[in-house]
Amino acid sequence: LAKTTQPISMDSYEGQEVNITCSHNNIATNDYITWYQQFPSQGPRFIIQGYKTKVTNEVASLFIPADRKSSTLSLPRVSLSDTAVYYCLVGDSSGPGRRALTFGSGTRLQVQP
Amino acid sequence: ETGVTQTPRHLVMGMTNKKSLKCEQHLGHNAMYWYKQSAKKPLELMFVYNFKEQTENNSVPSRFSPECPNSSHLFLHLHTLQPEDSALYLCASSQDLILEGGSNTEAFFGQGTRLTVV
Repeated sequence: LAKTTQPISMDSYEGQEVNITCSHNNIATNDYITWYQQFPSQGPRFIIQGYKTKVTNEVASLFIPADRKSSTLSLPRVSLSDTAVYYCLVGDSSGPGRRALTFGSGTRLQVQP
Repeated sequence: ETGVTQTPRHLVMGMTNKKSLKCEQHLGHNAMYWYKQSAKKPLELMFVYNFKEQTENNSVPSRFSPECPNSSHLFLHLHTLQPEDSALYLCASSQDLILEGGSNTEAFFGQGTRLTVV
């Protein structure tokens, strides 16, 4: 059973770096860690994915320690448009068989001017 | 634009009506998904299709009936819904079926259909 725990909400100001940490103590050996972003009344959007160490793309960075029991999404210099819910996903085998794309409650990021 | 198109964007229906939600993708993806997102709740996976075959039904009531005529189209047929079924219904697709946290975990979501049952 691999579930994730994230802060329910975070506040930040424009121009700051935001780090959102996700705990996944029971992550399976072959599981990747994926982050999605969701704006109100829209579908989630893939941000970044990683397996270990650090991954960076044009949007964010993902830091994964050696034990892989947690991960941190880093958003550099956020703007008002980064206000959204951020979801951390790993595998979920809690039900019969293997489950596809299970979302938790996510972290609601509010960026203030 | 994600390449996944859902219609209609908004729908209001009575409890005795029958309506259908449509999802279309021309990304060449083989797997498609229906999700429900109620206010202030996490996304709930409803149905999963892989190569037109249903691979997962997450204990969804029979008043929701999915249909996948081909890999590019997915429908959700609705009948005799309840007010508590009001939610944002999201369709997603992926190149291959996403299982657990496998390497190909990128799914593309549509904008959703905002459904209100009165």
